[in-house]
Amino acid sequence: GESVGLHLPTLSVQEGDNSIINCAYSNSASDYFIWYKQESGKGPQFIIDIRSNMDKRQGQRVTVLLNKTVKHLSLQIAATQPGDSAVYFCAENTGGTSYGKLTFGQGTILTVHP
Amino acid sequence: SQTIHQWPATLVQPVGSPLSLECTVEGTSNPNLYWYRQAAGRGLQLLFYSIGIGQISSEVPQNLSASRPQDRQFILSSKKLLLSDSGFYLCAWTVAAGGYEQFFGPGTRLTVL
Repeated sequence: GESVGLHLPTLSVQEGDNSIINCAYSNSASDYFIWYKQESGKGPQFIIDIRSNMDKRQGQRVTVLLNKTVKHLSLQIAATQPGDSAVYFCAENTGGTSYGKLTFGQGTILTVHP
Repeated sequence: SQTIHQWPATLVQPVGSPLSLECTVEGTSNPNLYWYRQAAGRGLQLLFYSIGIGQISSEVPQNLSASRPQDRQFILSSKKLLLSDSGFYLCAWTVAAGGYEQFFGPGTRLTVL
């Protein structure tokens, strides 16, 4: 469902630092997780995904960590750049007959200062 | 390669007027299709999804409806817009069998005055 609350969480970092964005998911039956990046006025773009049979997956400058015990997902961005500034969403899928539906988290605003 | 289109990109409509937003997908067959709404500074709320022509499931009660007249065409409609219908509308698709990653369109910014 739609996120609640008036403001999205924010994270401000300096260019070159590593960023960690966290997400708590709700459904212990979820078997697929995905991170999206959304720039202002644009549709979300895929960053990286992970299935529940894994606890870590790496991409180019990004790493996703999954802790099923505490239902926590994180996105790590190495050497953050100003172009990484955006809103980041995690999403989960419960598989089965969910017809590919994703449940999105509320999002985190990442601001990278030069 | 697959592409997804939405139009119009922006729309300003008076309260009580009708609405029709269109989404089309190219380069794939029998996709699952989704409509989301995003209020300013908020996350994505799933409105409708479709697993085939003429098959529409509604996720939340609302003033909107959806239709899928063709395999790769998804339409979001309203007979009478409300102020609360303002938002950023996103269409997405995914592979029907097995894949979960959703690919999003560029979105339509709707302002109801």
